[in-house]
Amino acid sequence: DAGVTQSPTHLIKTRGQHVTLRCSPISGHKSVSWYQQVLGQGPQFIFQYYEKEERGRGNFPDRFSARQFPNYSSELNVNALLLGDSALYLCASSPRGGTGNTEAFFGQGTRLTVV
Amino acid sequence: AQTVTQSQPEMSVQEAETVTLSCTYDTSESDYYLFWYKQPPSRQMILVIRQEAYKQQNATENRFSVNFQKAAKSFSLKISDSQLGDAAMYFCAYRSPNTGNQFYFGTGTSLTVIP
Repeated sequence: DAGVTQSPTHLIKTRGQHVTLRCSPISGHKSVSWYQQVLGQGPQFIFQYYEKEERGRGNFPDRFSARQFPNYSSELNVNALLLGDSALYLCASSPRGGTGNTEAFFGQGTRLTVV
Repeated sequence: AQTVTQSQPEMSVQEAETVTLSCTYDTSESDYYLFWYKQPPSRQMILVIRQEAYKQQNATENRFSVNFQKAAKSFSLKISDSQLGDAAMYFCAYRSPNTGNQFYFGTGTSLTVIP
């Protein structure tokens, strides 16, 4: 079975531009979360979606938005890109909303570079 | 908010030897879950081991085991019989029972395995 897939794998954007990152969860998984991992740091929680509803939001500006589609895939959108948005963006899925000791399964991430 | 601290940015171990990675966390919750994730150069986060706070018994997974000290808020990872494939970044992560897949990660420990 395919794992969590993210596209694109690498992306270069200019300051002020908009970017859309995509994530397909493992088949049957209904929960998707997004994380930002700046070089040398641990992942920081951005959003969680479960059954197409936002279930949590981290401390990120309104330039960051996301949505989940009926097939449970998800998009992360970032507007007005800043140099500081350069990071690895990770998507994680799980079968439920993260109850119990359920682990999250991560994709390989999208490396975003803002120049 | 919960915080996770990994005080060892880098560690090294001889192949076949044992190494312990440290993690402490801060929380006011009595019930929660703790995880160790491994991130190799491929960037994909892989679950190593998990621990439920209500369980006193330390979790073990083959060569990997934890020392969970709830009162001290400590959650260290022991890797026995280290192998070259164990070389990676290791992240300690905390998850509340009621916040879905919102993980709090530490800053990571880079583990080098010396042949």
